[in-house]
Amino acid sequence: DVKVTQSSRYLVKRTGEKVFLECVQDMDHENMFWYRQDPGLGLRLIYFSYDVKMKEKGDIPEGYSVSREKKERFSLILESASTNQTSMYLCASSPYSDPRADTQYFGPGTRLTVL
Amino acid sequence: GNSVTQMEGPVTLSEEAFLTINCTYTATGYPSLFWYVQYPGEGLQLLLKATKADDKGSNKGFEATYRKETTSFHLEKGSVQVSDSAVYFCALSGRYSSASKIIFGSGTRLSIRP
Repeated sequence: DVKVTQSSRYLVKRTGEKVFLECVQDMDHENMFWYRQDPGLGLRLIYFSYDVKMKEKGDIPEGYSVSREKKERFSLILESASTNQTSMYLCASSPYSDPRADTQYFGPGTRLTVL
Repeated sequence: GNSVTQMEGPVTLSEEAFLTINCTYTATGYPSLFWYVQYPGEGLQLLLKATKADDKGSNKGFEATYRKETTSFHLEKGSVQVSDSAVYFCALSGRYSSASKIIFGSGTRLSIRP
């Protein structure tokens, strides 16, 4: 089974702190994604990566950066956390196959609270 | 651009009731369509998918048919159980630069009463 793990289930940080969210997948997938999930807004794509050291902005990249130094690991960085970044963060991965049939595999999520 | 609209929740039903969650989409080309489910405290997981018009996806008693003429992909189940309580997301695939991208609806929370 595909397994996507995220470093923390719950995280509490203070405004202005630098925050790292880590995601690891064990299926050798090329694509990895970071989303945030907010009530009534569904999932919104922050950044994605289609290869090591490659990254592209999603729909809401402001205030975030990412790092992909190894194929299995994709990190989301909040350079200076703010209260409006309090959210559930979901990581996902998918293989580079027929894009019309791609399935994404999700981690359990990290609930981040910024005080 | 591509988008997905699904019925707002929450939806509350009694056990063994019939379920329909409506989903319509706007897309160029021929996207694949998905239903993902998120059980309490977990990430999303694929429930079913359909890759072309008139395809029917099915899993765990749930079904959805890709209707190009009505741009819809409604989720149905004949007899729901308490264990079906979850948030359901309709989604479609799209091409976004160098990687496939999935566009999600806002989610519908389903609660089943015993």
